[in-house]
Amino acid sequence: GAGVSQSPRYKVAKRGQDVALRCDPISGHVSLFWYQQALGQGPEFLTYFQNEAQLDKSGLPSDRFFAERPEGSVSTLKIQRTQQEDSAVYLCASSYLGTSVHNEQFFGPGTRLTVL
Amino acid sequence: GENVEQHPSTLSVQEGDSAVIKCTYSDSASNYFPWYKQELGKRPQLIIDIRSNVGEKKDQRIAVTLNKTAKHFSLHITETQPEDSAVYFCAATDYKLSFGAGTTVTVRA
Repeated sequence: GAGVSQSPRYKVAKRGQDVALRCDPISGHVSLFWYQQALGQGPEFLTYFQNEAQLDKSGLPSDRFFAERPEGSVSTLKIQRTQQEDSAVYLCASSYLGTSVHNEQFFGPGTRLTVL
Repeated sequence: GENVEQHPSTLSVQEGDSAVIKCTYSDSASNYFPWYKQELGKRPQLIIDIRSNVGEKKDQRIAVTLNKTAKHFSLHITETQPEDSAVYFCAATDYKLSFGAGTTVTVRA
C-alpha cells in the first residue's frame, strides 16, 4: 500500500505570501502529526490530530500557522504571511492508533519550504 | 515539556566497527523511545524502538538499551557497513515525538 505522501515536495514563497502544504496519511490511520525540521536539526512537533479533532497545537510557532483535517484523512498546514524563519522541511506523520497505544509513526517525504 | 539530548553530533567509524549513540530525556512520563534513520533529503525511517517496560531490544546488528532510572537510552550498531552512513535521531514520547538533534554517522570503507 501507499505510504504517507505530501505535496508539494518543494515550495518557494516570497516573504509575505500564504502557503498551503498537503498531507495524505496512510489510509485508516487515526493519528496525524505535523513536524518542522530546520536544516541540521531534529524534527520539532507542531500539531496533532486524532481523526478530525486537533487535540494538540502547542507546537505551532505563531498564529500565522493553522492546520486542519476536516474529514479525518487529508490534512493541510497553512502558513500565512510567510517569514524567512519559516524556511524548513515540514514533515507529516501518521500512525494507526490513537495516543493511548504507542505505535510507529510513518513519515512522509516532507515539503521543503524556502521563503525568500 | 520533554527535552532530549543526543551525543555525539558526529561519529566516524571504520567499516566493521561498532557505533554507539547516547540520548538522555527529561520527562519521566515518556514511555516510548524510537530511533529513526534519515538519509540526505529523505524521510525519517524507524529502525528500532523500545518501550519503558523493556531494558534492551535487539534486531540483527542494531540494539537499543534503556535505563529509566537514569533517563538514558542508547543505540548500538555492530559490524557497521557503508549503507549505515546517515543521520540518526533518538526520540522520546508519551504520544508526540521529541527528537534529539541528531548524529551524523559516517562509515569509512
